[in-house]
Amino acid sequence: KAGVTQTPRYLIKTRGQQVTLSCSPISGHRSVSWYQQTPGQGLQFLFEYFSETQRNKGNFPGRFSGRQFSNSRSEMNVSTLELGDSALYLCASSPTGEDGYTFGSGTRLTVV
Amino acid sequence: AQSVTQLGSHVSVSEGALVLLRCNYSSSVPPYLFWYVQYPNQGLQLLLKYTSAATLVKGINGFEAEFKKSETSFHLTKPSAHMSDAAEYFCAVSDFGSGNTGKLIFGQGTTLQVKP
Repeated sequence: KAGVTQTPRYLIKTRGQQVTLSCSPISGHRSVSWYQQTPGQGLQFLFEYFSETQRNKGNFPGRFSGRQFSNSRSEMNVSTLELGDSALYLCASSPTGEDGYTFGSGTRLTVV
Repeated sequence: AQSVTQLGSHVSVSEGALVLLRCNYSSSVPPYLFWYVQYPNQGLQLLLKYTSAATLVKGINGFEAEFKKSETSFHLTKPSAHMSDAAEYFCAVSDFGSGNTGKLIFGQGTTLQVKP
């Protein structure tokens, strides 16, 4: 059974640019959550999608957005990148969103 | 609001010794509790979870944790440490049962070092 797949694994962007990260959940999982991990702030919840609808949202600015497709694959977008957006972005999937989550290996974003 | 406190950002044990990683939580509703492990340059792997069934939860790789409501604790233990256990460990809490789907609140993590 394939795990959660995140692409790309590494990304370098310039301040002011935008970026799109992709996540393919485990087959049959309908809930996808996104997290930002930094040394200073730790793991912080960005948002959760279920059946193409955003059900829950963390405390991040509107530059951070996401979406989910009918096959449960999800993307997150960050516009107008700032240096502080450099982080490991983790995607996680769950059958219903009310159970343990399986995490992907993450996308390491570096903003220069 | 929910929160998690992991006591000790760094724990060092000898190979074969008991591993004890401490986690205390705060929640106004019956919590769901999790322990995850993260190896360098990887994502998080679920070790075990508590979802209001048995208070002693057994997980993978010989780890277990006990939910103690009176102490608001969910400490992670392993009787005998292996070198391969060296990693960062995260405790997390959620109130999925209140409809707060998809959101885990993580502690700051504890780095476990295993000495030969």
